[in-house]
Amino acid sequence: AQSVTQPDIHITVSEGASLELRCNYSYGATPYLFWYVQSPGQGLQLLLKYFSGDTLVQGIKGFEAEFKRSQSSFNLRKPSVHWSDAAEYFCAVGRGASYDKVIFGPGTSLSVIP
Amino acid sequence: GAGVSQTPSNKVTEKGKYVELRCDPISGHTALYWYRQSLGQGPEFLIYFQGTGAADDSGLPNDRFFAVRPEGSVSTLKIQRTERGDSAVYLCASSNRAGDNEQFFGPGTRLTVL
Repeated sequence: AQSVTQPDIHITVSEGASLELRCNYSYGATPYLFWYVQSPGQGLQLLLKYFSGDTLVQGIKGFEAEFKRSQSSFNLRKPSVHWSDAAEYFCAVGRGASYDKVIFGPGTSLSVIP
Repeated sequence: GAGVSQTPSNKVTEKGKYVELRCDPISGHTALYWYRQSLGQGPEFLIYFQGTGAADDSGLPNDRFFAVRPEGSVSTLKIQRTERGDSAVYLCASSNRAGDNEQFFGPGTRLTVL
């Protein structure tokens, strides 16, 4: 069965600083991987996804993530954080099927200091 | 519609009552998913439909929970004999992209059981 861990429950960064949110997954085959963002009172918005090809994927809002099979990781990065990036971030894994449930991690809450 | 819609946005009920939560997927999307998100946690899979049939209901916690999608579009999640532990945000998502399982989420229904 798939599972996702996000080791950091909460992270605080200064505006303009770089950001890396960690995600580790457990799945025996090549997974589909996703990062979603959830702002207070808002629905989940997809930032980026990986399912094949280039292991460095670019997403919206200046985010990128790198799939590292050897480390079972899919860390999210942003070179310069904006105050509007403060939100909850969820990593998720699917089994590599076109239609299937997705397993979410517990989330990392990001605070941004002006 | 332009996105996934869910009604009501908020539902307060008393312990033991029956509730129905509705999800309107993106027009034309064949797959529909229900997740539950408790406070401070990531979304937890409940059930998903491919067309009218439940393709995977392994996440339903017990037989008080039931979902239908009779015409392959709108879905209703039904909870009988509600308990305080059922309080959560119930999220619906839909997808129609063969190949990467990208799911589009609605804003959720916040259920409070008193």
